[in-house]
Amino acid sequence: NAGVTQTPKFRILKIGQSMTLQCTQDMNHNYMYWYRQDPGMGLKLIYYSVGAGITDKGEVPNGYNVSRSTTEDFPLRLELAAPSQTSVYFCASSPFRDPEAFFGQGTRLTVV
Amino acid sequence: KNQVEQSPQSLIILEGKNCTLQCNYTVSPFSNLRWYKQDTGRGPVSLTIMTFSENTKSNGRYTATLDADTKQSSLHITASQLSDSASYICVVIDRNQAGTALIFGKGTTLSVSS
Repeated sequence: NAGVTQTPKFRILKIGQSMTLQCTQDMNHNYMYWYRQDPGMGLKLIYYSVGAGITDKGEVPNGYNVSRSTTEDFPLRLELAAPSQTSVYFCASSPFRDPEAFFGQGTRLTVV
Repeated sequence: KNQVEQSPQSLIILEGKNCTLQCNYTVSPFSNLRWYKQDTGRGPVSLTIMTFSENTKSNGRYTATLDADTKQSSLHITASQLSDSASYICVVIDRNQAGTALIFGKGTTLSVSS
């Protein structure tokens, strides 16, 4: 009964480093999403995917890349980390459009 | 720009009391509206989902209302418990988006004290 699993839970990066945030879901959902949540702000959509091999930009995609080679996995890549990317990142999935989204536990990223 | 505004920003109530959280939105047209509960350090969890044709929906001690004409929703919590302390987020779906666009409010932080 895992649902949406994100790794790691916490990470500190130096400016200019790169990393991949992992997201896996075991519910066979077609739709997957990456959000970031800054303190006191609503969640902002970074990228989303409507199925394997299909991805699209959300509201705040700059500085990030994604891939969707399988239904289960939707990794988020940061190539050149910047302090502005310090945030909590949430991955979510849903079975179809306009559905209830299931969220992972989040990854707290600090860029110093 | 589509907006979802929530009030109050934060709220402190005594255990056992009731409270009502507000959500005003400008998203149009929209397909549905949801209320999520987010515990500190956790991901959001859905409480209720309402379509534009529904006026009221309950989930235990949580009751959500929707007035699509005035573009307002409320979440009423009855007989609050300490475990209700969390951030409550209103989310509206923008039907104009090619993918799926969930427009998130900033949330209301509720603290229930004994």
